[in-house]
Order: sequence, then C-alpha cells, then structure tokens
Amino acid sequence: DVQLVESGGDYVQTGGSLRLSCAASGFNFKNFEMIWVRQSPGKGLDWISNIDEGGTTMSYADSVKGRFTVSRDNAKRSLYLQMNGLRVEDTAVYYCARVRYSSSLNWFDSWGQGTLVAVSS
Amino acid sequence: DIQMTQSPLSLSASVGGSVSITCRTNQSIGYHLNWYQQKPGKAPKLLIFGASNLQSGVPSRFRGSGSGTDFTLTIGSLQPEDFAIYYCQQSYNTLAWTFGQGTKVAFK
Repeated sequence: DVQLVESGGDYVQTGGSLRLSCAASGFNFKNFEMIWVRQSPGKGLDWISNIDEGGTTMSYADSVKGRFTVSRDNAKRSLYLQMNGLRVEDTAVYYCARVRYSSSLNWFDSWGQGTLVAVSS
Repeated sequence: DIQMTQSPLSLSASVGGSVSITCRTNQSIGYHLNWYQQKPGKAPKLLIFGASNLQSGVPSRFRGSGSGTDFTLTIGSLQPEDFAIYYCQQSYNTLAWTFGQGTKVAFK
C-alpha cells in the first residue's frame, strides 16, 4: 500500500527554521511528482510547493517563496521542506501528497497524515 | 491564480438524503477539477478526479459533474460516514494549484 509519513513538525518562534520530511513507501517514489499542502487551524487547504520526479523543477506559492525550499532524495524515498524565516501565519498542519498524471489531468491521490508546525511570536 | 468558489459553505442533511455542492472558477478549466473529502483530524481523501472520474474504492453514491467554470459534487443516499468537509481543487494551472474554501456537510 502507498504510505506517506511526515515528520519534523514542532513549536518554534518567529524567525526560526524547521525541516519537514516525508517518507514514502509502497510505490516507486522516483517516478512521481510530489507536493506540500498546508492547512491553518480551522481553515482550508493551501498548496505551497511541488517538485518534479527528478528534483530539478520546483514551484512555490507566493506566501512561502524565498523562505521555503523543497527537495527530495529519491535514493532515500524522501521528500523535504526546509522552512526558514517562519512567521506566525505559517502555523498549520503540513501534508505531503503524491501527484498523479493521466493524459492532461492531474490529481493528488495519496496523502500523509500531516505534521503540525506552530509558530509563536 | 485561479479562484475557486464553493457553495454552500455548510449544509445539513439526513442519513439517506442527497446533497449537492457547487464549485465555480473564475476562468474556464475544462475538466481539470478534483474533489476531496476531509474528516476531522484526518488528511484529505481523493473522491473524484477530472470532474467526473470516481477514484478507486470510492462508493458510487459520489458523483461529479460539470466542465468549464461550473462543477457539482452530488452525494446520493448519505451515509453516516459522509459527514465531513468537501473541497474542490483545480488542476488546470499546475504552477499554482488552488482549492475551494470547503463545504461542511453536517447531520440534520
């Protein structure tokens, strides 16, 4: 079975840094684009970053551009999110998810359980 | 970015009843629309991809329809496990995927 397990969430102060990890199993990780999505407490879902299969092309939401860096290690079947310059508004549960493509369509078919990042001033 | 507007934002219904949730976009996205279900404290779960394609393992009482800018998720014969929050998500602009605000389906 496909499994994604996030880790690394913690309580930090504004301006601090964290590195989130997402460990993948049950599928050929190197063949899939991956994303990070976050959900602030009581709010909806926000895509924040994605990375292609080879780790060469990344995209970021404006809200995190310049502060967050996505990367992956296909040999370790792991996805990462380096978060610097954390702000109170970055407080959220962070999910990693797998992107599926078929023809011109794409969707997020498998999600991790999430990891909580709490930023205080 | 493509803006997504869901309606209603909340609704109440009874077990056995049927509900419909609408998702509108501010530009045409063809069939590039997905639906997810989220229960409290859990990760989102894919229900429908490509506007109307049922994800494997999802009950057939979930049905997606629409194209362009107007989409609908219909849940027929609501079951107790269907009370959750439902999100639409556009997959047309892969440089900035966006979600709707979410619609809470509650027990009447």
